Amino acid sequence: QKEVEQDPGPLSVPEGAIVSLNCTYSNSAFQYFMWYRQYSRKGPELLMYTYSSGNKEDGRFTAQVDKSSKYISLFIRDSQPSDSATYLCAMKKGTGGGNKLTFGTGTQLKVEL
Amino acid sequence: ETGVTQSPTHLIKTRGQQVTLRCSSQSGHNTVSWYQQALGQGPQFIFQYYREEENGRGNFPPRFSGLQFPNYSSELNVNALELDDSALYLCASSSGGGDEQFFGPGTRLTVL
Repeated sequence: QKEVEQDPGPLSVPEGAIVSLNCTYSNSAFQYFMWYRQYSRKGPELLMYTYSSGNKEDGRFTAQVDKSSKYISLFIRDSQPSDSATYLCAMKKGTGGGNKLTFGTGTQLKVEL
Repeated sequence: ETGVTQSPTHLIKTRGQQVTLRCSSQSGHNTVSWYQQALGQGPQFIFQYYREEENGRGNFPPRFSGLQFPNYSSELNVNALELDDSALYLCASSSGGGDEQFFGPGTRLTVL
């Protein structure tokens, strides 16, 4: 079993829709949670960074962490064709192991006109 | 502020050869991490360098090795290349003890 599970999609939505992307994890030592966006053949771009449980909002993006359920989400409001990319969740333990990030497999999102 | 840069962009090697990939960290960052991303997968942690010392290693064999230089740039060396080493190799930089890692564009390695 992988430490981080993420539905690979693809997920196709119409422009303007609210998108919900999710990851589950098994290791309760994870304390830092990130979402990256990766366009085809490019490096991942950091979108959201959260610590422990709670919500964080940045423009059209909201990251949500539920540690009791070991479940994290990224919501995208008013989705645009330019949001079409692969979204990777990543997480890190609080202490030890340096700054190793453990990633999900990524969810491919397509926003259609 | 200059972001993370990597070279070369693409590389084609044959099985058994050796390769060196390079990374320049973002200005002000002293920690570099390397990841391997196979097609359709998330990045896998190879190792991390902090102030020129290895600071954590993933589940990769010893033929994957690295260096960090006094200016915090870094190299990833892979010996005895295998077909399964074909992947996108990503470098990420962060500040000492910092948690936010910023990735470069990657080097796409193809092993024939």
